[in-house]
Amino acid sequence: QKEVEQNSGPLSVPEGAIASLNCTYSDRGSQSFFWYRQYSGKSPELIMSIYSNGDKEDGRFTAQLNKASQYVSLLIRDSQPSDSATYLCAVNLDRGSTLGRLYFGRGTQLTVWP
Amino acid sequence: DAEITQSPRHKITETGRQVTLACHQTWNHNNMFWYRQDLGHGLRLIHYSYGVQDTNKGEVSDGYSVSRSNTEDLPLTLESAASSQTSVYFCASSRPGTDTQYFGPGTRLTVL
Repeated sequence: QKEVEQNSGPLSVPEGAIASLNCTYSDRGSQSFFWYRQYSGKSPELIMSIYSNGDKEDGRFTAQLNKASQYVSLLIRDSQPSDSATYLCAVNLDRGSTLGRLYFGRGTQLTVWP
Repeated sequence: DAEITQSPRHKITETGRQVTLACHQTWNHNNMFWYRQDLGHGLRLIHYSYGVQDTNKGEVSDGYSVSRSNTEDLPLTLESAASSQTSVYFCASSRPGTDTQYFGPGTRLTVL
């Protein structure tokens, strides 16, 4: 069974805090991992991709990948009310394939309050 | 600018009718995907295509079909709409050899 699991939330943090979003996946052979942000009533938009173990930083966002633990996370530093959205974790669970089929978690709803 | 569009953005139809949702991208991406999104289920893959004349079933393909006659378009057809197909439908695309997907704006479909 190919699965991507996320904390269902909702997650609520004050403005300026660090928001931590977590995701686990079922296949240790997976190679590609993505975080998407989805505002209410809008389509998912890509925030970050990560392919290697460790951290990848892009502005206030840091993705962390641990393939041995089958775990990927997204940290949002200095959270802003505009970060309030649902965050989707996506994994290519087709081992060895780069053709592009992604499996999505159900998303974690984040609220950043002023 | 290159983009991915979906039409219509909103559609109300009746049970039993055939419905076609359009997806058009100008990125010249080979890979195209259709998802539905429902509360409690997240994004679920309906059909996908890796190029012209190629189509594949996803995890929730029953009652849906697609055809790929050119690179730019992947229309999704509901053969006989059912109330269970009320959902938000997203089209996505990615370049050959990559799995980074970019999404269209979505179509909200209501089947009465």
